[in-house]
Amino acid sequence: NSKVIQTPRYLVKGQGQKAKMRCIPEKGHPVVFWYQQNKNNEFKFLINFQNQEVLQQIDMTEKRFSAECPSNSPCSLEIQSSEAGDSALYLCASSLNWGGQNTLYFGAGTRLSVL
Amino acid sequence: QQQVRQSPQSLTVWEGETAILNCSYEDSTFNYFPWYQQFPGEGPALLISIRSVSDKKEDGRFTIFFNKREKKLSLHITDSQPGDSATYFCAARDTNTGKLTFGDGTVLTVKP
Repeated sequence: NSKVIQTPRYLVKGQGQKAKMRCIPEKGHPVVFWYQQNKNNEFKFLINFQNQEVLQQIDMTEKRFSAECPSNSPCSLEIQSSEAGDSALYLCASSLNWGGQNTLYFGAGTRLSVL
Repeated sequence: QQQVRQSPQSLTVWEGETAILNCSYEDSTFNYFPWYQQFPGEGPALLISIRSVSDKKEDGRFTIFFNKREKKLSLHITDSQPGDSATYFCAARDTNTGKLTFGDGTVLTVKP
């Protein structure tokens, strides 16, 4: 069973508001991924970290999204100015290694609703 | 563009039957293929996975068959149970970037 902890489980924001969600990766996992899963079950990669360093991120993340994984603190993903299209399930996953054959373990997600 | 495709979109079987979920991919840099099970309101949970050097992986009632030449794989769920009713995602991990690419999922319903 996954030990990736995400909070809050549900988040409701108005358009233009900030939305922040947190993730505690599985103990000993230095690699963290954030994915967005929309209502059609489509997964979109947002950003990943190894320890505190960003490895990859998409353009969307660079503009309105910010994320960090400070040492000894939960990782976080923040949307600076929420839009209706941001409503989705945000999933955090951690892995032992960024390499191709290590498993990603997902948390339960934060469901964001932007009204 | 990296893509992972799943079929069928939805599948209904009776309790005790074998459910077969299909997956195909395009990119040769994929070398690790986990299947995730997701229930409504929850995150995806790893069910079973296979590395590209293998052609079969079995774990209880769940078996992955992998054909590297055709870039196809399938998940077989034998003796299906109503509790198996969920959405199943085939995913492929890129050996270079570590990113997972997901298929669009198969919604499995097991009728008692």
